[in-house]
Amino acid sequence: EVQLVESGGGLVQPGGSLRLSCTASGFTIATDWMHWVRQAPGKGLEWVANIKPDGSQKYYVDSVKGRFTISRDNTKNSLYLQMSSLRVEDTAIYFCAKAIAAYTSAWGQGTLVTVSS
Amino acid sequence: QSVLTQPPSVSAAPGQKVTISCSGSSSNIGNNHVSWFQQLPGTAPKLLIFDNNKRPSGIPDRLSGSKSGTSATLGITGLQTGDEADYYCGSWDGSLSVYVFGTGTKVTVL
Repeated sequence: EVQLVESGGGLVQPGGSLRLSCTASGFTIATDWMHWVRQAPGKGLEWVANIKPDGSQKYYVDSVKGRFTISRDNTKNSLYLQMSSLRVEDTAIYFCAKAIAAYTSAWGQGTLVTVSS
Repeated sequence: QSVLTQPPSVSAAPGQKVTISCSGSSSNIGNNHVSWFQQLPGTAPKLLIFDNNKRPSGIPDRLSGSKSGTSATLGITGLQTGDEADYYCGSWDGSLSVYVFGTGTKVTVL
């Protein structure tokens, strides 16, 4: 069964850091672009970042540039999102997804990040 | 702020048809493929349509996608109560180098 499982979410104070992980099972992520997408409470989807299969290219939405870093370890079949200088507006459910707009697309169930004092 | 515009809501009776529009620009829809996603309450998004009009395995042919210029449309025929969900379009934006989602449309079955 193709499965993506996110972890690492939680409550953090403004200015703090958090590292999200996404572990795949039932398939290898090594051949796919991987993405992080977030959804603030009651709001729509917002794409956050993506990374090429070999990790050589990364793209970010402007609001997280310089604060978030996407990375991957294909040997561990895992995707990561290092988040720093967190803001209240970063509060959201964070989903990882593979091949977001392709035949083999798959999404995780998400992990909640709450930034609050 | 999303660069793809969708109507906030659409509705129809069971068995009827709904269409959802997605309006963008030449930097996204005009020069890149469009995808459509369904998000049932409390669940992760699910890909319904990719490459403008292709369906992944398991997606019924009641759902269809089309693109013309800088706009795209999702059609759902034979509407069922299980189709009640939020629907989002999406496309790569070559000018911004980001993937953009639409504002989202809530489908209600009357």
